[in-house]
Amino acid sequence: NAGVTQTPKFQVLKTGQSMTLQCAQDMNHEYMSWYRQDPGMGLRLIHYSVGAGITDQGEVPNGYNVSRSTTEDFPLRLLSAAPSQTSVYFCASSRTSTAGGYTFGSGTRLTVV
Amino acid sequence: KQEVTQIPAALSVPEGENLVLNCSFTDSAIYNLQWFRQDPGKGLTSLLLIQSSQREQTSGRLNASLDKSSGRSTLYIAASQPGDSATYLCAVGSQGGSEKLVFGKGTKLTVNP
Repeated sequence: NAGVTQTPKFQVLKTGQSMTLQCAQDMNHEYMSWYRQDPGMGLRLIHYSVGAGITDQGEVPNGYNVSRSTTEDFPLRLLSAAPSQTSVYFCASSRTSTAGGYTFGSGTRLTVV
Repeated sequence: KQEVTQIPAALSVPEGENLVLNCSFTDSAIYNLQWFRQDPGKGLTSLLLIQSSQREQTSGRLNASLDKSSGRSTLYIAASQPGDSATYLCAVGSQGGSEKLVFGKGTKLTVNP
């Protein structure tokens, strides 16, 4: 039972490059979300999805895109990386958005130079 | 807008001590409240989930309580051990129109041998 799997664990990008952070869950959870964690800021929601084909913006969506073509996968795309996107990114899933507890992945540490 | 505050920001105790971590939230219209543990450089591990209709949850040496009317939750750790050293995060599932967890900034706990 893998839970929530994030890849890669570490990544260094140059300013302007694009990349996709992968997130997959094997618990048949409907709800998935992406957070970024910055020192002194806590965790902030980037984007979320309540089911396949449905996504919405969170608190800090600018510079990121998401799609949800399957229940299992919820990739996060950085369109043109900026140093301000240097952060630790966490993917989370839950059975529903309101009833279940959240399971988090182990995170992706991204540095943009 | 839901805001979650955790006090204290840091706590250092000797091994064996019982301790309480505090979490307060501004909007009592919540679905649930979840306590997480985060070790340095690691992801979030769920400790306890309290639904809005519940008053407390227990797991081993951990007990979490919820008082919606006063906007407070406490995490009680009995007989603390050095292995309990970590950052503890409180997160509220809010009914405020957006389906997300709102996190506090955490309490960094150090248990000294």
